[in-house]
Amino acid sequence: QSVLTQPPSGSASPGQRVTISCSGSTSSIGSNYVYWYQQIPGTSPKLLIYLNNRRPSGVPDRFSGSKSGTSASLAISGLRSEDEAAYYCATWDDSLSAWVFGGGTKLTVL
Amino acid sequence: QVHLEQSGAEVKKPGASVTVSCKVSGRSLRELSIHWVRQSPGKGLEWLGGFDPEVGETIYAQSFQGRVTMTEDSSTDTGYMELNSVTSEDTAIYYCASILVGDSAFDPWGQGTQVTVSS
Repeated sequence: QSVLTQPPSGSASPGQRVTISCSGSTSSIGSNYVYWYQQIPGTSPKLLIYLNNRRPSGVPDRFSGSKSGTSASLAISGLRSEDEAAYYCATWDDSLSAWVFGGGTKLTVL
Repeated sequence: QVHLEQSGAEVKKPGASVTVSCKVSGRSLRELSIHWVRQSPGKGLEWLGGFDPEVGETIYAQSFQGRVTMTEDSSTDTGYMELNSVTSEDTAIYYCASILVGDSAFDPWGQGTQVTVSS
């Protein structure tokens, strides 16, 4: 069972907007930055969002991140077929002294 | 641009040790903090440990303490992860991932190394 809680799956049609939630605790998300990673099947995870809401160069502005209290979310607008992937949230946990990940959300583009 | 190249797939018997390497290019190993993350079949990501530049030593996830050792060879810019006393539960894809000193995100990741434990 993962320290961070994400819905296991989600789906939406092309062009729509989808939001993926990530719930933690005061020692994890409540005290540290949140990161999001995208993993297309058969490939390595790729950094999508860092420091809660910043995008690395090359990541489209269709992707956005936010954090409030002990929860965070990733929003994808203008959904495209190539966005079909698993999405993982991550943060440092002060109590565990460890990096922790969510269980991942598998996004299906209908 | 940093690139991480990992060693090839491994098949081990229960009780054996396995070592995975991670060759850095594009930057010196001294400019990076190498971490190791695994992904069990059909499951999510699990952090094993990595170098913490703030304390100047490698830190390990509690569940792997005493069973995993991470080392680095600065002369070849290569990091290593050795996992001992493996069981079928350790069958997974093992990734190395780097954090640039001064940053905080795992970026980039290696291509992954499949480790299979089977009798």
